[in-house]
Amino acid sequence: GAVVSQHPSWVICKSGTSVKIECRSLDFQATTMFWYRQFPKQSLMLMATSNEGSKATYEQGVEKDKFLINHASLTLSTLTVTSAHPEDSSFYICSATRPGGSSYEQYFGPGTRLTVT
Amino acid sequence: DAKTTQPNSMESNEEEPVHLPCNHSTISGTDYIHWYRQLPSQGPEYVIHGLTSNVNNRMASLAIAEDRKSSTLILHRATLRDAAVYYCILRNQAGTALIFGKGTTLSVSS
Repeated sequence: GAVVSQHPSWVICKSGTSVKIECRSLDFQATTMFWYRQFPKQSLMLMATSNEGSKATYEQGVEKDKFLINHASLTLSTLTVTSAHPEDSSFYICSATRPGGSSYEQYFGPGTRLTVT
Repeated sequence: DAKTTQPNSMESNEEEPVHLPCNHSTISGTDYIHWYRQLPSQGPEYVIHGLTSNVNNRMASLAIAEDRKSSTLILHRATLRDAAVYYCILRNQAGTALIFGKGTTLSVSS
């Protein structure tokens, strides 16, 4: 099946610094990728939809200036958490849909655990 | 997308079948029923999906009620590796984001 990777798998940063998380589709080109956030014992929350070559669409309540999304190529989307604070500590997960075919299946990355100290 | 309701948790013994229910009474005619599962500290993975007819694949079976207001994910022989959170999600447009509810946490005992 299709593979989506994320890097890094975990990161610890100090409060006030910025962190970049990469999401790559390894064996297909993804025109659309999605970013989710998951707090402990909770479900996944959609943060934004990332379209290649255009601006991301953010869900209500997600600060676009804090969570910068760039989808510069068909295989790479990045999420940058700017001026991170302890409350941004979470599990960040990306997913992608392969164009063509039935496109019913979304492929998820393994997630990135961010801890802000 | 219409909302789904699932039990918070279920328990099973290894090697036994597991039936995970999902209610979706406000489902529309174009909503597909998707099931994903999430193992601890991992991203979700696709399990199965269907529209009206029952579906089988190597992982599970999906039984859809005739009125489509409910469905059941069937794991024929649970293993310890099946312990996960199972999400039942409705989506009416391919390629759009999946919206996750709380899901059912399945525990499997040996």
